[in-house]
Amino acid sequence: DQQVKQNSPSLSVQEGRISILNCDYTNSMFDYFLWYKKYPAEGPTFLISISSIKDKNEDGRFTVFLNKSAKHLSLHIVPSQPGDSAVYFCAASALRVSGNTGKLIFGQGTTLQVKP
Amino acid sequence: DVKVTQSSRYLVKRTGEKVFLECVQDMDHENMFWYRQDPGLGLRLIYFSYDVKMKEKGDIPEGYSVSREKKERFSLILESASTNQTSMYLCASSLTDKAEAFFGQGTRLTVV
Repeated sequence: DQQVKQNSPSLSVQEGRISILNCDYTNSMFDYFLWYKKYPAEGPTFLISISSIKDKNEDGRFTVFLNKSAKHLSLHIVPSQPGDSAVYFCAASALRVSGNTGKLIFGQGTTLQVKP
Repeated sequence: DVKVTQSSRYLVKRTGEKVFLECVQDMDHENMFWYRQDPGLGLRLIYFSYDVKMKEKGDIPEGYSVSREKKERFSLILESASTNQTSMYLCASSLTDKAEAFFGQGTRLTVV
């Protein structure tokens, strides 16, 4: 039972355009969402996060949108750069659930290719 | 900066061997995790620990065990390695009241 889903395995965009990566979740107890970026042969690195009390969080070229009613979040990268080419993972946590240990549930990942 | 260090980048082991993967973090984090990454499956949680000597099973614990004797160190043990345990293994750590986890560089394990 996949609680966090990234239905697009890959995405290709032109340099300078917008990249939109999508993520859906099923567990209504999730209250914190994160995006990680991963290059081959390296560990994931934290990119941006959003709490369930917000619907948008922005950090430079990266913006995450949360639609709680649809249980959907998206990561926007504007403008996209060739160095953004990587695998992007969406993750969710039920941080405020009593006894929760902060474990993250990950989606399958989306491979982003930004073409020069 | 938080640093999570995994003892090996690449390992090749034979079927049936007992394999130890070591992970050390230097930021006094309470939580530590072991994930494996496989194409199309994302990161799947094997085991996690929220305190010294405490551990809980994740989503795919079969064939694995863990040890946390010191706060900074979390070990993953493959009791008898099998070819279906060929994967990228990722260790992570976090603070109790924070969701953000910091990852090590990963260990690419091949079981032949």
